[in-house]
Amino acid sequence: DGGITQSPKYLFRKEGQNVTLSCEQNLNHDAMYWYRQDPGQGLRLIYYSQIVNDFQKGDIAEGYSVSREKKESFPLTVTSAQKNPTAFYLCASRGEGLYGYTFGSGTRLTVV
Amino acid sequence: AQSVTQPDIHITVSEGASLELRCNYSYGATPYLFWYVQSPGQGLQLLLKYFSGDTLVQGIKGFEAEFKRSQSSFNLRKPSVHWSDAAEYFCAVGALYNQGGKLIFGQGTELSVKP
Repeated sequence: DGGITQSPKYLFRKEGQNVTLSCEQNLNHDAMYWYRQDPGQGLRLIYYSQIVNDFQKGDIAEGYSVSREKKESFPLTVTSAQKNPTAFYLCASRGEGLYGYTFGSGTRLTVV
Repeated sequence: AQSVTQPDIHITVSEGASLELRCNYSYGATPYLFWYVQSPGQGLQLLLKYFSGDTLVQGIKGFEAEFKRSQSSFNLRKPSVHWSDAAEYFCAVGALYNQGGKLIFGQGTELSVKP
């Protein structure tokens, strides 16, 4: 079955370290997204990519970086510049239009 | 500014009772409208969506939603709630021309179901 795979499910990071979250999709979708979820705040857009080798900042991009070298993959790096990285991170992708918007199962990042 | 408001942070209903979750949005034009459900520690599952046409939309798990343009609302309903419906529900809006089709989410409504 097609879908989005996020790994790992749980991630612990020491302060000052960079960490990379993986997102892979086999839906042949062009557009991919990273959202951050905090309790009581819904989801907020970090970065998005509409095509390979191109990506754009979302609403809360500071302290994060991404790459899009392959259509299937859109990894997110949480850098040491992100002041409050503890959160639940969700990756999504969509095909043509907004019909096929699909979310992964998320990665919970905790800074220790 | 574009926004989605879910006025109820937490709702408790008895099993078998009816349910209505409210969603109001502010957007430049009629956006695409979505309802998602999330179980603890999980991703989002699409319940239903509205793009155009009939303003009463049927979704999975017996849910439906009605788009009311005059009220900028897209409320979610279910006639008889089951214990397994306990979860967090998110309303979202989006448009292709806005940041590559990003979705704008409400804060979520947590649903508890009493036996």
